[in-house]
Amino acid sequence: AQSVTQLDSHVSVSEGTPVLLRCNYSSSYSPSLFWYVQHPNKGLQLLLKYTSAATLVKGINGFEAEFKKSETSFHLTKPSAHMSDAAEYFCVVWLWGKFQFGAGTQVVVTP
Amino acid sequence: DAGITQSPRHKVTETGTPVTLRCHQTENHRYMYWYRQDPGHGLRLIHYSYGVKDTDKGEVSDGYSVSRSKTEDFLLTLESATSSQTSVYFCAISAEDRDTYTGELFFGEGSRLTVL
Repeated sequence: AQSVTQLDSHVSVSEGTPVLLRCNYSSSYSPSLFWYVQHPNKGLQLLLKYTSAATLVKGINGFEAEFKKSETSFHLTKPSAHMSDAAEYFCVVWLWGKFQFGAGTQVVVTP
Repeated sequence: DAGITQSPRHKVTETGTPVTLRCHQTENHRYMYWYRQDPGHGLRLIHYSYGVKDTDKGEVSDGYSVSRSKTEDFLLTLESATSSQTSVYFCAISAEDRDTYTGELFFGEGSRLTVL
């Protein structure tokens, strides 16, 4: 069985400071991993995905994530938060045709 | 943006009444999914379809049924709505063969259902 854990339900950052959203997964195999973002009253939008190529993945809007197999982690980072980054973020694992969603991390950005 | 339309976007209904949510896509993608989103649970799969008239259950399928008579339409039906089915429902589509390759899911904007 596979599962995905987002370690923080809420993260608050100041505009211009780094953002770190943590995601750990459990799987007996090497899954594909995604980060999605959801702005209020909107559907989810893909930020980036890892599918067994480079372990450092760059996504849209300056986000990137690093796949660390030894730590079973796929943490999302951004060097400098913008007010428009305020949203909910979901880590998603795909394996054998099944998508498993984390519970989400709500990001608040303060001026 | 992927061409996915959900209807209705908002609905309030009473316990025991039937409800049908519609997902329409213009991408001709093979796979379609219905998820529900509840605080603290992320998204949970209700049902999915891998082709016309081909559907299967997800992890929270009790109380829900689906139908797919055309590639572009995927209907989710609550035969007799209950308050526990108050949620935001998302339709998603995916082009890839889910058993051999994965790409991304494209999501609709959601349907907010309130069951009183």
